[in-house]
Formats: sequence, C-alpha cells, structure tokens
Amino acid sequence: GAGVSQSPSNKVTEKGKDVELRCDPISGHTALYWYRQRLGQGLEFLIYFQGNSAPDKSGLPSDRFSAERTGESVSTLTIQRTQQEDSAVYLCASSLVIGGEQYFGPGTRLTVT
Amino acid sequence: GENVEQHPSTLSVQEGDSAVIKCTYSDSASNYFPWYKQELGKRPQLIIDIRSNVGEKKDQRIAVTLNKTAKHFSLHITETQPEDSAVYFCAATPSNYQLIWGAGTKLIIKP
Repeated sequence: GAGVSQSPSNKVTEKGKDVELRCDPISGHTALYWYRQRLGQGLEFLIYFQGNSAPDKSGLPSDRFSAERTGESVSTLTIQRTQQEDSAVYLCASSLVIGGEQYFGPGTRLTVT
Repeated sequence: GENVEQHPSTLSVQEGDSAVIKCTYSDSASNYFPWYKQELGKRPQLIIDIRSNVGEKKDQRIAVTLNKTAKHFSLHITETQPEDSAVYFCAATPSNYQLIWGAGTKLIIKP
C-alpha cells in the first residue's frame, strides 16, 4: 500500500512569508507526528496527533508554528512569518497506534531566504 | 518524563569490523526500544526493535541488547559493510506514549 506522503518536496520562501506543509499518513494509522531536522542534526519533535485526542504541542518552538489534523487523515503544519532559522527538513511520520513503529514520509525541505 | 542519551555521536570503523552504539534511558516504565537508520538524504527507517520482555534480538548482522536493570540498550552491527554508513537513532517509550529519540550516531565505514 501507499506510504506516508508529503508535499511539497521542496519549498523556498522569503523571510516573513507564511508556509503550509502537508502530510498524508498511511490509511488507518491513528497517530501522526511532525519533526524538524536541521542539516546534520537529529529529529526534533514538534507535535503529534492521536485519534481524536487533543494534540501534544509541547515541541512547537514558537507560536508561529501550528498544525491541524482532521480525524485520522491529512495534517497540515503551518509556519507563519518564516525566519531563516526555520530552514530545515520537516518530516512527518505515522504509526498504527501511539508508540508503535513510525513510518516516515520523504520530508519537505524548507529554505527561507 | 523519559530522556534518552545516545553515544557516541560519531563512530568510525574499518570495513568488516563490528560497531556498537549505546543508549541509556531514564524512565523504568519504558518497554519498547526501536532503532532507526537514516541514510544520507533519505527518511529514517526501522531496522530492529526490542521489547522489555527479552534481553536480546538478532537479525542477520544486526542485534540489539537490553539491560533493564541498568536502563541501557545497544545496537551491534557485525561484519560492517559500506552500506551500513548512515545515522542511527535509538528511541524508547512506555506504553501508549510517543517515542523519545536519542540524538543520533553517525556511523562511518572506512574501506
């Protein structure tokens, strides 16, 4: 079956603009995660969704970052007033249940100029 | 909450030798310990995992060991090959909670 997909694969934006990143999880996966990975660095947790429970937003670095997910489908990560330090690869992952094996998407490479 | 520490940050080994990467965790309730491999420019993928009811698990050239008393677990790669070059991440989690990730180990296989 289809894996996790993300769009766009690459995004170049000017400082101060808003961007929206999209993640399509594997069908039936109740949990969805967003990570940020700066060049040569580890996985920085941003937010996760589990079914209809309130999302865990504890990793969001500032109020410029927000994410939504409707039910167990698509999720969007929005970054408002982008800054150069937001440049990174944004990875989405999904798992059948929380704490289970995570399947990652190919990521969106964001470059803020 | 859970905290996972991973060492070393970089490991360079001669092709054919063994590589060992170690992680420690803080939450004694953690019961699931996966290892992910991320090749350059690619997404992380699960390579092996272990649950707290076993002490060791093997899959061909890779193995994971778990010491619950000391709260540490290790990834062992034997007979290393060039394609083993990658960044490896460990993680830990108690039931019904998200994975807590280590910082990653860059493994370099020298020809």
